[in-house]
Amino acid sequence: AQSVTQPDIHITVSEGASLELRCNYSYGATPYLFWYVQSPGQGLQLLLKYFSGDTLVQGIKGFEAEFKRSQSSFNLRKPSVHWSDAAEYFCAVGAKTGDSWGKLQFGAGTQVVVTP
Amino acid sequence: GAVVSQHPSWVICKSGTSVKIECRSLDFQATTMFWYRQFPKQSLMLMATSNEGSKATYEQGVEKDKFLINHASLTLSTLTVTSAHPEDSSFYICSARVPGEQYFGPGTRLTVT
Repeated sequence: AQSVTQPDIHITVSEGASLELRCNYSYGATPYLFWYVQSPGQGLQLLLKYFSGDTLVQGIKGFEAEFKRSQSSFNLRKPSVHWSDAAEYFCAVGAKTGDSWGKLQFGAGTQVVVTP
Repeated sequence: GAVVSQHPSWVICKSGTSVKIECRSLDFQATTMFWYRQFPKQSLMLMATSNEGSKATYEQGVEKDKFLINHASLTLSTLTVTSAHPEDSSFYICSARVPGEQYFGPGTRLTVT
């Protein structure tokens, strides 16, 4: 069975500082990996996804993530955080099914607080 | 980009009544839709997967007679919470999938009094 672990429940970062959110997954084959962001009371917005190929994935809003098979990790990074990046971030994994993926398994989420 | 809408965005109902939540894919057709439930400050838990024209597949522990899902068309899925109780109060999020992409609705906040 697939699973996702986000070790950090809460992270506080200063505006302009770098941000890294950790995600570890457990899955027998090559997973489909995703990072989503959720603002308060809102649905999820996809930041980026990894299916195959280049292990460094660029996303929207200046985010990137690196897939490391040896560490079963898919950490999200941003070089310089903006106040608008304060939100909840979810890592998710899906099993490859044909040309798509099966149901997504979400991590517990990491709450990011940005201080002035 | 593709948009998934939910209606209503917020609903309050009395205990024992039923409430219907609609999920629409506005500019695309989705063969598969998902319904998630999210408690405050927690992750999304998949409740069920629905494919157009067929019965929904419920996750273990989800009462299919309580959470009725209908996926009548390629652009509409509905979730009906029957005989709602305060413990059903939650944030319900739908998601629509096409090959290679999955889009999420803005969510519906259900409060049962």
